[in-house]
Amino acid sequence: AQSVTQLDSHVSVSEGTPVLLRCNYSSSYSPSLFWYVQHPNKGLQLLLKYTSAATLVKGINGFEAEFKKSETSFHLTKPSAHMSDAAEYFCVVGGVGNQFYFGTGTSLTVIP
Amino acid sequence: GAVVSQHPSWVICKSGTSVKIECRSLDFQATTMFWYRQFPKQSLMLMATSNEGSKATYEQGVEKDKFLINHASLTLSTLTVTSAHPEDSSFYICSAMGGKETQYFGPGTRLLVL
Repeated sequence: AQSVTQLDSHVSVSEGTPVLLRCNYSSSYSPSLFWYVQHPNKGLQLLLKYTSAATLVKGINGFEAEFKKSETSFHLTKPSAHMSDAAEYFCVVGGVGNQFYFGTGTSLTVIP
Repeated sequence: GAVVSQHPSWVICKSGTSVKIECRSLDFQATTMFWYRQFPKQSLMLMATSNEGSKATYEQGVEKDKFLINHASLTLSTLTVTSAHPEDSSFYICSAMGGKETQYFGPGTRLLVL
């Protein structure tokens, strides 16, 4: 069975400092993993995805994530936060039949 | 590429009326589309999965007679909320999958039932 745990419901960082959003997954087979971002009253935008290629995945807007099988983690990072990064972030694992399993989301606040 | 649109972006309707929401994949053919519902400050809840030309598969607890889904073509799926009531007010998001593994999401439709 597939499941996702986002370890922090809320993260606050100062503008210009690094961002770390944590995600652990459970999967009975080699997973597909995704990070999506959602700005208020908007749909979800794909940031990046891991599909069993390189373990370090680079996405849009300077975000990247590293797949660590031994730790069952897929944490999202960015070296320097920007005000426009403030949003809700969802870690997602792909399951059987193309179904997605969502984490509960992490709200990122960027302090000027 | 991989753009998904939804229409309308938001709608207000009277209790008892029906509302149709369209989801279109603009630059790719979507073999599978998904409909989600999102409550404030919560994650997405999958309502149903639809494949082009076949009946939608509904998640447990979702009334298929209330939430009618039609996936008539490879670029269009519709969700009709029949006899809407205030408790149906929510943010509805669709997604479309063309090839393998990745879902591309629409911008969402805010429904308010008075």
